[in-house]
Amino acid sequence: NAGVTQTPKFQVLKTGQSMTLQCAQDMNHEYMSWYRQDPGMGLRLIHYSVGAGITDQGEVPNGYNVSRSTTEDFPLRLLSAAPSQTSVYFCASSYSIPQTGKSNYGYTFGSGTRLTVV
Amino acid sequence: ELKVEQNPLFLSMQEGKNYTIYCNYSTTSDRLYWYRQDPGKSLESLFVLLSNGAVKQEGRLMASLDTKARLSTLHITAAVHDLSATYFCAVDNNNDMRFGAGTRLTVKP
Repeated sequence: NAGVTQTPKFQVLKTGQSMTLQCAQDMNHEYMSWYRQDPGMGLRLIHYSVGAGITDQGEVPNGYNVSRSTTEDFPLRLLSAAPSQTSVYFCASSYSIPQTGKSNYGYTFGSGTRLTVV
Repeated sequence: ELKVEQNPLFLSMQEGKNYTIYCNYSTTSDRLYWYRQDPGKSLESLFVLLSNGAVKQEGRLMASLDTKARLSTLHITAAVHDLSATYFCAVDNNNDMRFGAGTRLTVKP
């Protein structure tokens, strides 16, 4: 099992550019989510999905879009990059109670994408 | 809005000593999670606490949950250098987990 795979691991963008961070999991997890991690602030939820075709906003969704066309993939799109989006981005997945993010097992995290916007 | 507070944020310990990390949260929740993160790495799930009074232990780490007090503790027994990492608690908040800011633990010989 590969677990949760994120690509790329590092990316530098210019202000105003767009890009997509990829996330794929091979554990048949229904629940997937994107977090950003900034120094001293823990992790903050950007968007999440409780199953294919269903997405919703988290705590800090502005400037990001997601889609979930398959169970395996949950890409995160930056529409017009800004320096404030410089961060480390983590994708996570989990077995969960259907239609919720409630997990009895904790989340499995990808290795992260370190994004710098200049 | 659910808020999760950890303390201390920084902890420097001597090997062999005991210490406790505290995690307070502001609204009722029936699930609490502890994660470990090594520098430059991803997060690893340590414990999932599912009910009031739950206690789980793994090696030198023991986690407990008091849902009435909205408090979880992570107790470190006889610390060793390998435990140096950042520890996060996270509280179930409907469809997401809300994380604390993390406790950066350094264990010195």
